[in-house]
Amino acid sequence: DTGVSQNPRHKITKRGQNVTFRCDPISEHNRLYWYRQTLGQGPEFLTYFQNEAQLEKSRLLSDRFSAERPKGSFSTLEIQRTEQGDSAMYLCASSFRTVRNEKLFFGSGTQLSVL
Amino acid sequence: GESVGLHLPTLSVQEGDNSIINCAYSNSASDYFIWYKQESGKGPQFIIDIRSNMDKRQGQRVTVLLNKTVKHLSLQIAATQPGDSAVYFCAENIGTSGSRLTFGEGTQLTVNP
Repeated sequence: DTGVSQNPRHKITKRGQNVTFRCDPISEHNRLYWYRQTLGQGPEFLTYFQNEAQLEKSRLLSDRFSAERPKGSFSTLEIQRTEQGDSAMYLCASSFRTVRNEKLFFGSGTQLSVL
Repeated sequence: GESVGLHLPTLSVQEGDNSIINCAYSNSASDYFIWYKQESGKGPQFIIDIRSNMDKRQGQRVTVLLNKTVKHLSLQIAATQPGDSAVYFCAENIGTSGSRLTFGEGTQLTVNP
């Protein structure tokens, strides 16, 4: 499978716990994105990396959220002290930017439920 | 069948009919648009894209139309099949940077056999 891979697919946690998600992008892609999606809504941008550099963060990304891409390959998204409002699908996408366009390829997401 | 975007987030069509899904985008500076298909339990899947210097682009069974005057985007699916049942999102982008990909609300397409 050469698509974007996300683990775990589902995560149930209690409020106040920390969680970490992993994303493995398509190997030749240099950009990696994290989006969040709630039921019935479109994905919302959280942050993105070009290689190992985190170039932009949305104001949606509170201080409890941190993302890393240490070697420019896989990425992790950690949420500390989870709240019920964090319950959502967390989507990872990767791309290889060209001059003309940038098609994002999404993984299947990690569904987070905070009890 | 045809949707009117935010006011009719569901579209139900018969197999074999043509479908039209509409989207009103918000930013007049957006110059790159993408349609995604999302099936239940899966991430969005790229369907077709169009740059703002074009009015129309065709793919396999799909056509995207762009009207910059009224900031309107549509996706036409020819000979709709049950496998086309999904939620369809339009997304807009300023420049070629995917970091500013803004998704619309989505339209649920249901194809009846």
